[in-house]
Amino acid sequence: GENVEQHPSTLSVQEGDSAVIKCTYSDSASNYFPWYKQELGKGPQLIIDIRSNVGEKKDQRIAVTLNKTAKHFSLHITETQPEDSAVYFCAATDTGRRALTFGSGTRLQVQP
Amino acid sequence: EPEVTQTPSHQVTQMGQEVILRCVPISNHLYFYWYRQILGQKVEFLVSFYNNEISEKSEIFDDQFSVERPDGSNFTLKIRSTKLEDSAMYFCASSASSGVTNEQFFGPGTRLTVL
Repeated sequence: GENVEQHPSTLSVQEGDSAVIKCTYSDSASNYFPWYKQELGKGPQLIIDIRSNVGEKKDQRIAVTLNKTAKHFSLHITETQPEDSAVYFCAATDTGRRALTFGSGTRLQVQP
Repeated sequence: EPEVTQTPSHQVTQMGQEVILRCVPISNHLYFYWYRQILGQKVEFLVSFYNNEISEKSEIFDDQFSVERPDGSNFTLKIRSTKLEDSAMYFCASSASSGVTNEQFFGPGTRLTVL
């Protein structure tokens, strides 16, 4: 089955800096890669996703890149703000299966 | 904005007791899921449900677990005889349709504590 590795486990940045979180996956059949943000006491919130037919997707300060050959994808947050502080999870699946396989999470702390 | 809701937010039970966790998915969604997250660990898939039947389940989802859509709005997860290791956050999720879109929207979770 699919295995998703995520790093770093914790990341501390200064407000205004960029943050990058990286994930690798094992199943070459995976073709859908969402990113979730989880705040304390809440459920995961979908923030951006990418499908295997594109290499990059942007939404304001958030971007995701995908390298299918290397089987890795990354989340980039620019101009970080204190409210970006949360745990971020990457996930992968192939749309035939639907079950998401999650990475282990990255705790991002943005220092004001 | 439509959202997935779950009740209760926290459930405490004794080992061996049955629990039912409830979810109301987003109203026009067709696929429903349960995931769990043991404290400090990654989110793990349990089961997916479509067209009134299980479409996929993980190794975690053994005979102690069952799911049901008893009416047009609720989606439930039953654990027949809880074990200590069932203590976790349980998240319900839903997604809209078949095809390449698989955006899953999660509820706030139910924290299950088995004593």
